[in-house]
Amino acid sequence: SQTIHQWPATLVQPVGSPLSLECTVEGTSNPNLYWYRQAAGRGLQLLFYSVGIGQISSEVPQNLSASRPQDRQFILSSKKLLLSDSGFYLCAWSPAGNTIYFGEGSWLTVV
Amino acid sequence: EDQVTQSPEALRLQEGESSSLNCSYTVSGLRGLFWYRQDPGKGPEFLFTLYSAGEEKEKERLKATLTKKESFLHITAPKPEDSATYLCAVLPLRGAGSYQLTFGKGTKLSVIP
Repeated sequence: SQTIHQWPATLVQPVGSPLSLECTVEGTSNPNLYWYRQAAGRGLQLLFYSVGIGQISSEVPQNLSASRPQDRQFILSSKKLLLSDSGFYLCAWSPAGNTIYFGEGSWLTVV
Repeated sequence: EDQVTQSPEALRLQEGESSSLNCSYTVSGLRGLFWYRQDPGKGPEFLFTLYSAGEEKEKERLKATLTKKESFLHITAPKPEDSATYLCAVLPLRGAGSYQLTFGKGTKLSVIP
């Protein structure tokens, strides 16, 4: 069966510091991969999605970037964090054209 | 622009008191409508996918239905462990090759023993 791993689960970072959140999927090949952000009182917001290695689409202009160095690995990064980057970040995957499955999420607090 | 509105924002039920959650949507052609359950501090857990009006799906005490404008999540005789936030999302027909869901803000369900 397929599983998705996301880490770290919790992160407290100072303003201006870099960020790296990692996600890997097991038990499948060539999945679509996604990064979402969930802010309090708001719906899930799609940040990036990828349909293959090196193929990244951005949905929202922002301080963040994503990379897909391997088929089942997806990384969310920032060079300099802002206070507004705080939130709950979710990695997700789907077989092409099918249901999205989410990871457990990473809580980011920028102080 | 695709829109998903869920109501109510919060719902408190006594254990055993059945009710329904609503998800109204506006999308230029629906490829699928999805229901998820989210527990505090965790990622959403997939429940159902509905593809066409009139379709129904069931899982334990939950039953999801779909019309051309809305979906309902019916909860029959809920138990305290059904307490969670329930999220609805739609996938439009456009966007081939990706999977760009639009989510509602969710309904927070509390089931009181």
